[in-house]
Amino acid sequence: EVVLTQSPDTLSLSPGERATLSCRASRSFGSSHLVWYQQKPGQAPRLLIYGVSSRATGIPDRFSGSRSGTDFTLTISRLEPEDFAVYYCQQYGTTPQWTFGQGTKVEIK
Amino acid sequence: QITLKESGPTLVKPTQTLTLTCSFSGFSLSTSGEGVGWIRQAPGKALEWLALIYWDDDKRYSPSLQSRLTITKDTSKNQVVLIMTNMDPVDTATYYCAHTNYFEGDYFDYWGQGTLVTVSS
Repeated sequence: EVVLTQSPDTLSLSPGERATLSCRASRSFGSSHLVWYQQKPGQAPRLLIYGVSSRATGIPDRFSGSRSGTDFTLTISRLEPEDFAVYYCQQYGTTPQWTFGQGTKVEIK
Repeated sequence: QITLKESGPTLVKPTQTLTLTCSFSGFSLSTSGEGVGWIRQAPGKALEWLALIYWDDDKRYSPSLQSRLTITKDTSKNQVVLIMTNMDPVDTATYYCAHTNYFEGDYFDYWGQGTLVTVSS
């Protein structure tokens, strides 16, 4: 099983600032099989990034994803008020299961 | 446009069996590559993948819950059913179904709104 560990648990930032969220895998898996979701209170997760760095349909370009070995990063270049939410990474390269990180909450400072 | 919606009981008693239905539109589970998964989220907790079924009836289960889960599909009704036996209060969560496509990435790109299931006597 691949365990995904996200850090930090909470990120306190102001609108306009840059957010850097980390997701570390316990071991390597499918070369680009990592996604990021955004979840707001009372809502279902929304796909932001797939294949490590590809933005899903309708996702603004302030969101970007990258990888270095087993370390994955979601960057929000300039936080907008609607970006304050919880973000989850998920791997889908190792069947028979898919696993999620524990989430990072981006809150208004 | 792909949409999914979960339905089922909001309250179940401990030891009972939970049956949830995912009704979807915008794709068909008779089409090669298509799949539907179930994911849950306990209050204030992270997402947890439960099960997934593909167009070819290939079924995948979370190893930790496999003995309690059954996933089936009804292609003619555009529905996927998840059955979870021996419910416990720790199974209280919002249950989501979501779309995936095996050939296009195998991640969950469309999600239902979720349904909250409370396990309590």
